[in-house]
Amino acid sequence: ETGVTQTPRHLVMGMTNKKSLKCEQHLGHNAMYWYKQSAKKPLELMFVYNFKEQTENNSVPSRFSPECPNSSHLFLHLHTLQPEDSALYLCASSQALATDTQYFGPGTRLTVL
Amino acid sequence: GENVEQHPSTLSVQEGDSAVIKCTYSDSASNYFPWYKQELGKRPQLIIDIRSNVGEKKDQRIAVTLNKTAKHFSLHITETQPEDSAVYFCAASIQSGGSNYKLTFGKGTLLTVNP
Repeated sequence: ETGVTQTPRHLVMGMTNKKSLKCEQHLGHNAMYWYKQSAKKPLELMFVYNFKEQTENNSVPSRFSPECPNSSHLFLHLHTLQPEDSALYLCASSQALATDTQYFGPGTRLTVL
Repeated sequence: GENVEQHPSTLSVQEGDSAVIKCTYSDSASNYFPWYKQELGKRPQLIIDIRSNVGEKKDQRIAVTLNKTAKHFSLHITETQPEDSAVYFCAASIQSGGSNYKLTFGKGTLLTVNP
């Protein structure tokens, strides 16, 4: 499964660190997404990009900052995170926005100390 | 905003039995309903989806039904096998006004198929 890749797969950071998560899709899709998956919560949509333009910010705190330089790459910049931000962060892509199959990456397991 | 409720949260069946997972949604404007399967330690993968202009869709042992009036949709798995064991997520999607888009997931159902 190499359609959507994410790096790093695991990340441990302190609350004062700055780090970035990277997502790359090799499927020629136009839409990309960031999700947060916590232990006892549903998948939470964080950000949506369509043709490199952000179309959705689902009330995400400003300590999460997305960047989409082109349709194949998506970043999530992290700074001054809280322990409750520890979760699996999943990237996904789809050919079209909204009503199209989303293909997920393997995720980055983030632990904030 | 949209609210998606999924039941049950856990489901245990014997191999060969059927499994049914139900979801309800709150926004009547929702028009796309995918189901994802997530095996332990793996990424979610789409297994079936249905759009609001269709009442039922089937793919081998998997079927999904949609009742727009009641605002609920269900996943049906027949002749379950141990490899069906996973967490299943339903979702409801709204696309309105050009690029506006909302996808809301249910909390998931842990399905265990006992051999």
